[in-house]
Amino acid sequence: GENVEQHPSTLSVQEGDSAVIKCTYSDSASNYFPWYKQELGKRPQLIIDIRSNVGEKKDQRIAVTLNKTAKHFSLHITETQPEDSAVYFCAGGGGADGLTFGKGTHLIIQP
Amino acid sequence: DGGITQSPKYLFRKEGQNVTLSCEQNLNHDAMYWYRQDPGQGLRLIYYSQIVNDFQKGDIAEGYSVSREKKESFPLTVTSAQKNPTAFYLCASGRETQYFGPGTRLLVL
Repeated sequence: GENVEQHPSTLSVQEGDSAVIKCTYSDSASNYFPWYKQELGKRPQLIIDIRSNVGEKKDQRIAVTLNKTAKHFSLHITETQPEDSAVYFCAGGGGADGLTFGKGTHLIIQP
Repeated sequence: DGGITQSPKYLFRKEGQNVTLSCEQNLNHDAMYWYRQDPGQGLRLIYYSQIVNDFQKGDIAEGYSVSREKKESFPLTVTSAQKNPTAFYLCASGRETQYFGPGTRLLVL
Protein backbone atom coordinates (compact mmCIF):
# COMPACT_ATOMS: atom_id res chain seq x y z
CA GLY A 1 0.00 0.00 0.00
CA GLU A 2 0.84 3.67 -0.08
CA ASN A 3 3.10 5.25 2.56
CA VAL A 4 3.18 9.04 2.93
CA GLU A 5 5.80 10.77 5.07
CA GLN A 6 5.53 14.44 6.02
CA HIS A 7 8.14 16.88 7.36
CA PRO A 8 8.59 18.82 9.52
CA SER A 9 6.20 17.89 12.33
CA THR A 10 6.33 21.47 13.65
CA LEU A 11 7.20 24.63 11.72
CA SER A 12 7.47 28.10 13.24
CA VAL A 13 7.82 31.13 10.95
CA GLN A 14 7.61 34.88 11.36
CA GLU A 15 4.46 36.55 10.10
CA GLY A 16 5.00 37.61 6.51
CA ASP A 17 7.64 34.96 5.80
CA SER A 18 7.10 31.86 3.66
CA ALA A 19 6.42 28.32 4.92
CA VAL A 20 7.23 25.08 3.11
CA ILE A 21 5.97 21.62 4.08
CA LYS A 22 7.28 18.53 2.31
CA CYS A 23 5.84 15.07 1.72
CA THR A 24 7.12 11.92 0.07
CA TYR A 25 5.10 8.96 -1.18
CA SER A 26 5.97 5.39 -2.06
CA ASP A 27 3.39 4.14 -4.58
CA SER A 28 4.11 5.25 -8.13
CA ALA A 29 0.48 4.45 -9.02
CA SER A 30 -0.77 7.31 -6.79
CA ASN A 31 -2.06 10.12 -8.96
CA TYR A 32 -3.85 12.54 -6.65
CA PHE A 33 -2.29 14.63 -3.87
CA PRO A 34 -4.51 16.90 -1.73
CA TRP A 35 -3.55 19.14 1.16
CA TYR A 36 -5.84 19.71 4.14
CA LYS A 37 -5.83 22.36 6.86
CA GLN A 38 -7.19 21.53 10.29
CA GLU A 39 -7.80 24.16 12.94
CA LEU A 40 -7.96 23.13 16.58
CA GLY A 41 -11.03 21.00 17.28
CA LYS A 42 -12.33 21.34 13.74
CA ARG A 43 -12.58 19.08 10.71
CA PRO A 44 -9.80 18.93 8.07
CA GLN A 45 -10.64 21.09 5.07
CA LEU A 46 -9.22 20.82 1.57
CA ILE A 47 -7.09 23.83 0.65
CA ILE A 48 -5.43 22.74 -2.59
CA ASP A 49 -4.79 19.57 -4.58
CA ILE A 50 -2.68 18.44 -7.51
CA ARG A 51 -2.86 15.57 -9.95
CA SER A 52 0.09 13.64 -11.33
CA ASN A 53 -0.15 15.18 -14.80
CA VAL A 54 0.60 18.64 -13.36
CA GLY A 55 3.85 19.90 -11.87
CA GLU A 56 2.65 22.98 -10.03
CA LYS A 57 -0.61 24.62 -9.00
CA LYS A 58 -1.24 27.99 -7.35
CA ASP A 59 -4.16 29.56 -5.54
CA GLN A 60 -3.40 33.05 -4.25
CA ARG A 61 -0.80 32.64 -1.46
CA ILE A 62 -0.79 28.85 -1.62
CA ALA A 63 1.06 26.67 -4.12
CA VAL A 64 1.78 22.98 -4.44
CA THR A 65 4.59 21.38 -6.45
CA LEU A 66 4.90 17.74 -7.47
CA ASN A 67 8.01 15.82 -8.56
CA LYS A 68 6.81 12.45 -9.83
CA THR A 69 10.30 11.12 -10.48
CA ALA A 70 11.42 11.75 -6.92
CA LYS A 71 7.96 10.95 -5.51
CA HIS A 72 7.70 14.09 -3.46
CA PHE A 73 5.35 17.05 -3.27
CA SER A 74 5.41 20.28 -1.27
CA LEU A 75 3.07 22.95 0.02
CA HIS A 76 4.25 26.56 -0.16
CA ILE A 77 2.52 29.37 1.73
CA THR A 78 3.76 32.90 1.04
CA GLU A 79 3.22 36.06 3.10
CA THR A 80 2.03 34.04 6.08
CA GLN A 81 -0.69 35.49 8.30
CA PRO A 82 -1.88 34.60 11.83
CA GLU A 83 -4.90 32.76 10.41
CA ASP A 84 -2.53 30.35 8.65
CA SER A 85 -1.70 28.81 12.05
CA ALA A 86 -3.10 25.25 11.97
CA VAL A 87 -2.16 21.64 11.34
CA TYR A 88 -1.61 20.79 7.68
CA PHE A 89 -1.93 17.26 6.28
CA CYS A 90 -0.72 15.99 2.94
CA ALA A 91 -2.23 12.88 1.37
CA GLY A 92 -1.63 10.64 -1.60
CA GLY A 93 -3.69 8.11 -3.50
CA GLY A 94 -6.57 8.40 -5.93
CA GLY A 95 -7.30 4.71 -6.41
CA ALA A 96 -9.90 2.37 -4.96
CA ASP A 97 -8.26 2.34 -1.53
CA GLY A 98 -8.72 6.08 -1.08
CA LEU A 99 -6.08 8.36 0.44
CA THR A 100 -3.13 7.80 2.76
CA PHE A 101 -2.41 10.77 5.01
CA GLY A 102 0.84 12.12 6.39
CA LYS A 103 1.12 12.65 10.14
CA GLY A 104 0.65 16.40 9.87
CA THR A 105 2.66 19.60 10.34
CA HIS A 106 1.79 22.06 13.07
CA LEU A 107 2.40 25.49 11.53
CA ILE A 108 2.92 28.32 14.01
CA ILE A 109 2.94 31.92 12.78
CA GLN A 110 4.93 34.14 15.14
CA PRO A 111 3.77 37.80 15.34
CA ASP B 1 -18.70 20.21 3.99
CA GLY B 2 -22.23 20.94 5.11
CA GLY B 3 -23.34 17.81 3.27
CA ILE B 4 -21.73 15.41 5.72
CA THR B 5 -22.82 15.28 9.33
CA GLN B 6 -21.77 13.33 12.40
CA SER B 7 -23.51 12.82 15.72
CA PRO B 8 -23.17 13.15 18.57
CA LYS B 9 -20.50 15.82 18.97
CA TYR B 10 -19.39 14.28 22.28
CA LEU B 11 -19.93 10.69 23.44
CA PHE B 12 -19.13 9.07 26.75
CA ARG B 13 -18.55 5.36 26.99
CA LYS B 14 -18.65 3.22 30.09
CA GLU B 15 -16.36 0.22 30.42
CA GLY B 16 -17.75 -2.84 28.63
CA GLN B 17 -20.22 -0.78 26.62
CA ASN B 18 -20.63 -0.67 22.85
CA VAL B 19 -21.33 2.77 21.38
CA THR B 20 -22.33 3.80 17.85
CA LEU B 21 -21.23 6.93 16.04
CA SER B 22 -23.44 8.24 13.27
CA CYS B 23 -22.28 9.54 9.87
CA GLU B 24 -24.68 10.78 7.19
CA GLN B 25 -23.99 12.43 3.83
CA ASN B 26 -26.21 13.92 1.15
CA LEU B 27 -23.42 14.40 -1.41
CA ASN B 28 -24.38 11.24 -3.35
CA HIS B 29 -20.93 9.79 -2.72
CA ASP B 30 -20.40 6.05 -3.07
CA ALA B 31 -17.22 6.01 -0.95
CA MET B 32 -17.21 6.66 2.80
CA TYR B 33 -14.45 6.40 5.40
CA TRP B 34 -13.86 6.38 9.15
CA TYR B 35 -10.67 7.77 10.67
CA ARG B 36 -9.36 7.98 14.19
CA GLN B 37 -7.29 10.98 15.30
CA ASP B 38 -5.32 11.04 18.55
CA PRO B 39 -3.81 14.24 19.98
CA GLY B 40 -0.90 15.37 17.85
CA GLN B 41 -1.37 12.42 15.53
CA GLY B 42 -2.40 12.05 11.95
CA LEU B 43 -5.47 10.35 10.54
CA ARG B 44 -5.57 6.58 10.85
CA LEU B 45 -8.05 4.65 8.70
CA ILE B 46 -10.44 2.37 10.59
CA TYR B 47 -12.87 1.15 7.89
CA TYR B 48 -13.95 2.24 4.44
CA SER B 49 -16.76 1.44 2.07
CA GLN B 50 -16.69 1.93 -1.69
CA ILE B 51 -20.32 0.93 -2.24
CA VAL B 52 -23.49 -0.02 -0.39
CA ASN B 53 -23.38 -3.41 1.39
CA ASP B 54 -19.60 -3.63 1.08
CA PHE B 55 -16.79 -2.43 3.34
CA GLN B 56 -13.12 -3.15 4.03
CA LYS B 57 -10.88 -2.99 7.08
CA GLY B 58 -8.40 -0.17 7.31
CA ASP B 59 -5.17 -0.04 9.28
CA ILE B 60 -6.71 -0.14 12.78
CA ALA B 61 -10.01 -2.04 12.47
CA GLU B 62 -9.67 -4.17 15.61
CA GLY B 63 -12.34 -3.33 18.17
CA TYR B 64 -14.54 -1.54 15.64
CA SER B 65 -17.40 -2.58 13.35
CA VAL B 66 -19.39 -0.85 10.60
CA SER B 67 -22.38 -1.35 8.35
CA ARG B 68 -23.35 0.20 5.02
CA GLU B 69 -27.02 -0.54 4.42
CA LYS B 70 -27.75 2.80 2.77
CA LYS B 71 -25.64 5.00 0.50
CA GLU B 72 -26.15 7.98 2.79
CA SER B 73 -25.18 6.32 6.06
CA PHE B 74 -22.04 4.66 7.43
CA PRO B 75 -22.31 4.14 11.22
CA LEU B 76 -19.29 3.06 13.28
CA THR B 77 -19.62 0.93 16.41
CA VAL B 78 -16.85 1.08 18.99
CA THR B 79 -17.04 -2.25 20.77
CA SER B 80 -15.93 -3.21 24.27
CA ALA B 81 -12.96 -4.97 22.62
CA GLN B 82 -11.44 -1.55 21.83
CA LYS B 83 -9.47 -0.97 25.02
CA ASN B 84 -8.31 2.57 24.27
CA PRO B 85 -11.21 4.28 22.49
CA THR B 86 -10.61 7.87 23.62
CA ALA B 87 -10.03 9.85 20.42
CA PHE B 88 -11.53 12.20 17.85
CA TYR B 89 -13.42 10.24 15.18
CA LEU B 90 -13.81 11.67 11.70
CA CYS B 91 -16.05 10.41 8.94
CA ALA B 92 -15.38 11.36 5.33
CA SER B 93 -16.95 10.75 1.93
CA GLY B 94 -15.79 11.12 -1.65
CA ARG B 95 -13.99 8.89 -4.11
CA GLU B 96 -10.95 11.10 -4.78
CA THR B 97 -11.28 14.31 -2.79
CA GLN B 98 -12.52 13.41 0.66
CA TYR B 99 -14.86 15.74 2.54
CA PHE B 100 -14.93 15.43 6.30
CA GLY B 101 -17.71 15.61 8.84
CA PRO B 102 -17.33 17.73 12.00
CA GLY B 103 -16.16 14.78 14.10
CA THR B 104 -17.21 13.00 17.29
CA ARG B 105 -15.07 13.17 20.40
CA LEU B 106 -15.31 9.89 22.36
CA LEU B 107 -14.39 9.87 26.01
CA VAL B 108 -14.30 7.00 28.49
CA LEU B 109 -15.94 7.30 31.89
